[in-house]
Amino acid sequence: GQSLEQPSEVTAVEGAIVQINCTYQTSGFYGLSWYQQHDGGAPTFLSYNALDGLEETGRFSSFLSRSDSYGYLLLQELQMKDSASYFCAVPYTGRRALTFGSGTRLQVQP
Amino acid sequence: DTAVSQTPKYLVTQMGNDKSIKCEQNLGHDTMYWYKQDSKKFLKIMFSYNNKELIINETVPNRFSPKSPDKAHLNLHINSLELGDSAVYFCASSLQGPTDTQYFGPGTRLTVL
Repeated sequence: GQSLEQPSEVTAVEGAIVQINCTYQTSGFYGLSWYQQHDGGAPTFLSYNALDGLEETGRFSSFLSRSDSYGYLLLQELQMKDSASYFCAVPYTGRRALTFGSGTRLQVQP
Repeated sequence: DTAVSQTPKYLVTQMGNDKSIKCEQNLGHDTMYWYKQDSKKFLKIMFSYNNKELIINETVPNRFSPKSPDKAHLNLHINSLELGDSAVYFCASSLQGPTDTQYFGPGTRLTVL
């Protein structure tokens, strides 16, 4: 089976840096993805890591350590609009869909 | 131009009724999905289709029947609705498999009374 663990909630202030961790258990690893979902909205893709290391896309970065079955999403220069839920995800058994973590709700305060 | 669209956006209905949700993608993707998101925001795969062929049917009651008339469309029909079916249903598509970026529709919020 597959499982992903991430914190349920994180709070930070505008301008700060926040890290959202994700640990996973999966048979066969094909990469770790991150999705953002605002309240009432649809999940939208943020990043994908197939190899160890840090991937940077603007204010967002994602890190993967396959040996530790661990990854994180790093959000810098937080803005109010970053308040949302963040999901890590791995390909499902047979690589035909995604298994999502339970989501981390990020609240950015002024 | 909308990439993945779903109709309706909201659906309120009585227990026991039958309802359908339609999904269309104009991205030329080969794979489409239905996900269910419950009140705790847990997002779970229900079905996956690749080029109109059912790939995943994930322990979903028989009351749920997906249909893919062509690779741009994936509809979901639900028979004999139950209270526990209340959730947000998301359609998604990707170029091929899940390592490709998944594009989600806006969701259909189903409320069963």
